[in-house]
Amino acid sequence: SQQGEEDPQALSIQEGENATMNCSYKTSINNLQWYRQNSGRGLVHLILIRSNEREKHSGRLRVTLDTSKKSSSLLITASRAADTASYFCATDESDGNNRKLIWGLGTSLAVNP
Amino acid sequence: DSGVTQTPKHLITATGQRVTLRCSPRSGDLSVYWYQQSLDQGLQFLIQYYNGEERAKGNILERFSAQQFPDLHSELNLSSLELGDSALYFCASSVEASGRRRAGELFFGEGSRLTVL
Repeated sequence: SQQGEEDPQALSIQEGENATMNCSYKTSINNLQWYRQNSGRGLVHLILIRSNEREKHSGRLRVTLDTSKKSSSLLITASRAADTASYFCATDESDGNNRKLIWGLGTSLAVNP
Repeated sequence: DSGVTQTPKHLITATGQRVTLRCSPRSGDLSVYWYQQSLDQGLQFLIQYYNGEERAKGNILERFSAQQFPDLHSELNLSSLELGDSALYFCASSVEASGRRRAGELFFGEGSRLTVL
């Protein structure tokens, strides 16, 4: 089941602007992952942040995690038209031998040239 | 290229029919996940296999079944198809070691687009 929630559901910005997407979840997690999906294509892993980390960077991506608020944000700086895609968060709620990734419904990002 | 191969890429069939979707995971990955993605329901986890054995089950209908073979490739069988089964079906793999207690990065295939008419 999908329990993560991304917001906004859709975001439209101009090239060069920053895009921020948020993900909220409900239970304790081991890690949180962000994925990108171009229309009709497979999902591509972007970044993984562990529960004991607060911030992580990868190129133009910055992810923060606030476990007290059960939320994460993905910031894409200096956006490009090629960043147009849907972005999903997935929370690892694995427990013992029960591995469980819970997916959000995604944020659809449109970057206008 | 994620290294995960799915066939067929597109499939059109009629209600009541049965289809088989195939997935070859990345070399060395023991874990295979199947997901269904439709416009109105987002990404739905169906089932996971690890080294040939079922590891976790999600929202998989009784009309659907899957297996993972000794060579680690996996097949998802969909039977008595209904219009609502039209969706993108994704396979993903991960390296996940047997003693590891956390879900790591998943590598997704490009999906099989199923259209039921």
